[in-house]
Amino acid sequence: KAGVTQTPRYLIKTRGQQVTLSCSPISGHRSVSWYQQTPGQGLQFLFEYFSETQRNKGNFPGRFSGRQFSNSRSEMNVSTLELGDSALYLCASSLITGVQETQYFGPGTRLLVL
Amino acid sequence: AQSVSQHNHHVILSEAASLELGCNYSYGGTVNLFWYVQYPGQHLQLLLKYFSGDPLVKGIKGFEAEFIKSKFSFNLRKPSVQWSDTAEYFCAANSNSGYALNFGKGTSLLVTP
Repeated sequence: KAGVTQTPRYLIKTRGQQVTLSCSPISGHRSVSWYQQTPGQGLQFLFEYFSETQRNKGNFPGRFSGRQFSNSRSEMNVSTLELGDSALYLCASSLITGVQETQYFGPGTRLLVL
Repeated sequence: AQSVSQHNHHVILSEAASLELGCNYSYGGTVNLFWYVQYPGQHLQLLLKYFSGDPLVKGIKGFEAEFIKSKFSFNLRKPSVQWSDTAEYFCAANSNSGYALNFGKGTSLLVTP
């Protein structure tokens, strides 16, 4: 089975721009979560989608948003980029939403904001 | 507040040495625990997980972890490390009331030949 895929893998943007990242979950998985990884803050949860609905949300500003499509693919959008948004953005998928579920991670999209 | 802490940020071992990486969690109620590994240039991979039952869990590549409820700990162990175990190791947790994984800051392990 193919793993979680994320596109693009690398991205360079300037302050004030907006960016959209894409995630395709493992086939059959219906839950998609997003995490931000930085050297200073480590891995932090952004949000989780299940059946096109946001089920959980982390403590990030409203500039960070996402959505999920009927095929379970998900996109994450960051508007009005700031230098501090430079990070590795990881997508994870699991079969269903629920706490005793294993989340499988993709390779990430590395975003650099100049 | 719910949190996960990892004791060692950087560990250097010689091949064949034994490994123990510390992980403590602060959660009320039922907790689910995970260890993930990130090899250089690769994505996060699940090493092992604990939901319930036998507190000693075995994972891939010879790793194991022990859940000690009284100590709020979930330490990762391997009897004999190899150079290929060089990686960053993350402990993570969630509870039965929240799906989001809470990660520790990670431990960078370097195994020297």
